[in-house]
Amino acid sequence: KNQVEQSPQSLIILEGKNCTLQCNYTVSPFSNLRWYKQDTGRGPVSLTIMTFSENTKSNGRYTATLDADTKQSSLHITASQLSDSASYICVVGFNAGNNRKLIWGLGTSLAVNP
Amino acid sequence: SQTIHQWPATLVQPVGSPLSLECTVEGTSNPNLYWYRQAAGRGLQLLFYSVGIGQISSEVPQNLSASRPQDRQFILSSKKLLLSDSGFYLCAEAPGGPSGYTFGSGTRLTVV
Repeated sequence: KNQVEQSPQSLIILEGKNCTLQCNYTVSPFSNLRWYKQDTGRGPVSLTIMTFSENTKSNGRYTATLDADTKQSSLHITASQLSDSASYICVVGFNAGNNRKLIWGLGTSLAVNP
Repeated sequence: SQTIHQWPATLVQPVGSPLSLECTVEGTSNPNLYWYRQAAGRGLQLLFYSVGIGQISSEVPQNLSASRPQDRQFILSSKKLLLSDSGFYLCAEAPGGPSGYTFGSGTRLTVV
């Protein structure tokens, strides 16, 4: 069964600290993995997209890693800011016949406190 | 760059009432358009997608329907809302398939 699991479910850190969010997936055949940031009451915004051959990709203070062998990904946030408070969602794309589909994780809710 | 407009932002509707949510896209032509629902404690669920005018694909059987009357317009409808239709509805656009979505700001629907 195609699944995406994220951990932790929620996380509280102090402003300026680093944190790492985890994503494990059992999706096949794998096409790509994305991380989205979703502010409360808003639509998700793409942070990174990685294909099978990529094992790291950065977007400012966000760095995503991908280990396609172990089917794990992480999102590392450096020097956190209050505006980083949001839900971070891992999404894995796969090919289903002629269609490309996505499996969405439930997200990690991050709170950055002053 | 693409811009997606969704309205209304919030909506409270009684059970059994009709629904119409509109999504319009700017900055692109012939987009692939998607309707997602995000229920409390659940991941985003794809409801409908459209690759062109009048072309609608449904991902899950449900109480909702979708239409695409114009290239940049995508409408989500229901004739009679159920309590289970409550959720956060998101319209999304992706060029050439779901390789990179742009999402609208969403509509929070509460059915009472």
